[in-house]
Amino acid sequence: DTGVSQDPRHKITKRGQNVTFRCDPISEHNRLYWYRQTLGQGPEFLTYFQNEAQLEKSRLLSDRFSAERPKGSFSTLEIQRTEQGDSAMYLCASRRSGGRNEAFFGQGTRLTVV
Amino acid sequence: AQTVTQSQPEMSVQEAETVTLSCTYDTSENNYYLFWYKQPPSRQMILVIRQEAYKQQNATENRFSVNFQKAAKSFSLKISDSQLGDTAMYFCAEFQGGSEKLVFGKGTKLTVNP
Repeated sequence: DTGVSQDPRHKITKRGQNVTFRCDPISEHNRLYWYRQTLGQGPEFLTYFQNEAQLEKSRLLSDRFSAERPKGSFSTLEIQRTEQGDSAMYLCASRRSGGRNEAFFGQGTRLTVV
Repeated sequence: AQTVTQSQPEMSVQEAETVTLSCTYDTSENNYYLFWYKQPPSRQMILVIRQEAYKQQNATENRFSVNFQKAAKSFSLKISDSQLGDTAMYFCAEFQGGSEKLVFGKGTKLTVNP
């Protein structure tokens, strides 16, 4: 296992379309996080899973956003009816409980809404 | 609310010299962790160094060290013997176990010049 992987790396979509991103965490990590990063900003927390349970959601996660982590393995983030303001880098991170509290990040999915 | 402030949007340093990046944070918690992450251009974010708030000793990792001033809520990163590969965005982040999320600053863009 080489780390957290995200797919796709880049996505261009037209306004109003739905998009779905996938994250595969490091296999022994039970905690998974989604962050959003816009130009010139640091990443902002969106949501967090412990195993398959979604335990925390940011107010940034509007009703158009939904995240799942079936079976506590990979996770998907879906954005419905995309808007230009959704254009950003979407980062996934994972970590295991306890330990050094170190989160490992994927390379991100860059979304451009045109 | 947690806030992390990086007051230097951009910095530059000559190869082999030393540079210090600043970070301040605001938290009311006693149990928290502080991190510096590095994000090279078009590459994933990686952890540079971490500090547990309950430890008084400053963390060091090879050429990287921190100056953790808990009372002042300051957490600066010193990079010694700067290398060209250190060119990247550097993000300071705070983690509170109770909320399970990293809060990031806006980042400092560091350029190491030959």
